[in-house]
Amino acid sequence: DADVTQTPRNRITKTGKRIMLECSQTKGHDRMYWYRQDPGLGLRLIYYSFDVKDINKGEISDGYSVSRQAQAKFSLSLESAIPNQTALYFCATSGLAVSYNEQFFGPGTRLTVL
Amino acid sequence: GQQVMQIPQYQHVQEGEDFTTYCNSSTTLSNIQWYKQRPGGHPVFLIQLVKSGEVKKQKRLTFQFGEAKKNSSLHITATQTTDVGTYFCAGNNAGGTSYGKLTFGQGTILTVHP
Repeated sequence: DADVTQTPRNRITKTGKRIMLECSQTKGHDRMYWYRQDPGLGLRLIYYSFDVKDINKGEISDGYSVSRQAQAKFSLSLESAIPNQTALYFCATSGLAVSYNEQFFGPGTRLTVL
Repeated sequence: GQQVMQIPQYQHVQEGEDFTTYCNSSTTLSNIQWYKQRPGGHPVFLIQLVKSGEVKKQKRLTFQFGEAKKNSSLHITATQTTDVGTYFCAGNNAGGTSYGKLTFGQGTILTVHP
């Protein structure tokens, strides 16, 4: 959905570099999530935030950090990228007011770490 | 922590054949959601099941939630080439402050041969 945008869409970087992936949403949702997708492993939760002052680790948070700059913005940082962080990264949002509390995903960022 | 297992990982069918993917959780779920990801796309919400034993239909898709709220299935009748993609189940924990945090299965990649 265009309501959830991610930048950049593709990024190639080198081991040791600091990388920031950004997510913005215009859906007015309070909850935001970062996932990574690897073949055969599905979607694994990295971090999630239920409001601006709430940040929680997901199942694979090591090597990542996040910042919730505003209700509409949630960024993911790799402080020192390593090759096994090569993956497809998705941002998602949800809101309590949404009928099923389903998650709306951005288009994804394909990250390659050389 | 909660685990959600999904099988099979891959399924190849001829157009017109049926398809089923199964999802099992290690813990009792509040609800389960299903998502579809088209090739090159992002996951898109299909449906949510909440009640024990619930069955819901969307045209050729039938979704079931087990009596114990620990397993679910998605069945597609007479597949079409437009059904290709990866189907994910995602479980929502029963109760607790992390309600809304989904645990995704590994996904089933469906290929439909014309």
